[in-house]
Order: sequence, then structure tokens, then C-alpha cells
Amino acid sequence: AQRVTQPEKLLSVFKGAPVELKCNYSYSGSPELFWYVQYSRQRLQLLLRHISRESIKGFTADLNKGETSFHLKKPFAQEEDSAMYYCALRGRETSGSRLTFGEGTQLTVNP
Amino acid sequence: NAGVMQNPRHLVRRRGQEARLRCSPMKGHSHVYWYRQLPEEGLKFMVYLQKENIIDESGMPKERFSAEFPKEGPSILRIQQVVRGDSAAYFCASSPLPSGGTDTQYFGPGTRLTVL
Repeated sequence: AQRVTQPEKLLSVFKGAPVELKCNYSYSGSPELFWYVQYSRQRLQLLLRHISRESIKGFTADLNKGETSFHLKKPFAQEEDSAMYYCALRGRETSGSRLTFGEGTQLTVNP
Repeated sequence: NAGVMQNPRHLVRRRGQEARLRCSPMKGHSHVYWYRQLPEEGLKFMVYLQKENIIDESGMPKERFSAEFPKEGPSILRIQQVVRGDSAAYFCASSPLPSGGTDTQYFGPGTRLTVL
């Protein structure tokens, strides 16, 4: 079975502070990990995926297979980063194309 | 490209009625996924369809729920004899490529179903 855990439902930081949204997973094969973001009144959209190894809007995430984690980080949070963030996993060996989501973390960046 | 379209955005039904949720994928996408989000929970996979085929329905409840993606027209998620526990947000996603390719899933705005 595959599972994604986001231990923090709510996370609040001040503008300019570093932010880290935690994501842990369990999966026996080679996972693909994603971060999706949902801004207020907007649809869910892909923020980044581990295979791209890219930085989007200043966010980065590194897949740590030893710790089975895919934490999302940004060194200096901005107010416009306030949103709901979902970590998701795809395990092709056992479940094809479907995504397994964590329960999400609501990030609030205060001025 | 207008993106994934879902309608209606809000749907209210009484217990025992039928609910039909529609999803039009992005232009050029032939793969559709349905997810359900119960209150205070993450999105849970329900079903994966290609045109005229159900590929994976392992997340669908065994009774009352069905899905289709006809050759022409939108994908339909159908819930018969709705109960209060069906109240949730239902999201559709589409992707351009089959498994094994770079198949980012693009999400629609969701349909919020309320069962009275």
C-alpha cells in the first residue's frame, strides 16, 4: 500500500522567514513525488515534481529515499505563498497513473 | 486552452436522488481521472478512464457509483440514490499521455455536491 503523510494541517510564518512543508511517504517501489498548490478560489495546480529537479516560485523539494520524505522548502516566504499545499505520490509499479494525496497543509504567510 | 471544465460547480440533491457530474478534459487530452475530497481530508482517487474504457476503478465504491468517458462528449460520474455521506468535492483531472510518459494531471475546479 502507498501512503502520503503531511503532519501539519496548519503552518503560519512571517513574510521573509524560511518555510518548510513536510511530506513523508510509504511505498515499496520507486515513487514519483509531486507538490500541488491550491490558492484561494483557484483550482489545484502542479507546483513541482521531483523528477524535474526544478525550482518554481522559489520553492524546491528534494526526494530523500532514505528518510522517505519530500519536504517543500522556500528560504524567504512571501504573502502570496499563502495557500493549501498537497503532497502527492504516484507508484506506477502497483497503481499505474493514479495519484495518492496527503491531507494537505494550509500555509499562511503573515505580513 | 480553457483547461479542464467541470459542471455544475455546485450541486444539491436530496437523499435518494441521482447526481451527475460532468468533466470536459483539456483539448487533446484523452485520459481522465476522478478524485473525491471529503471534508477535512485529502483527495482520494476514484477512477481512471480513457475514451470508451475504464482503466482503473479500484477507488470507486462498489455500489451506486459509475463513470464513463464516451467517444464524444464529457466524462460523467454518476451517483445513484445519494446519501449524506456522498457530500464532498469531486475533482476531475486530465492528462495527455498514457502511463509511462510525462503525464502531468491538470485539475478542474471541482463540483461540490451537497446531499440534504
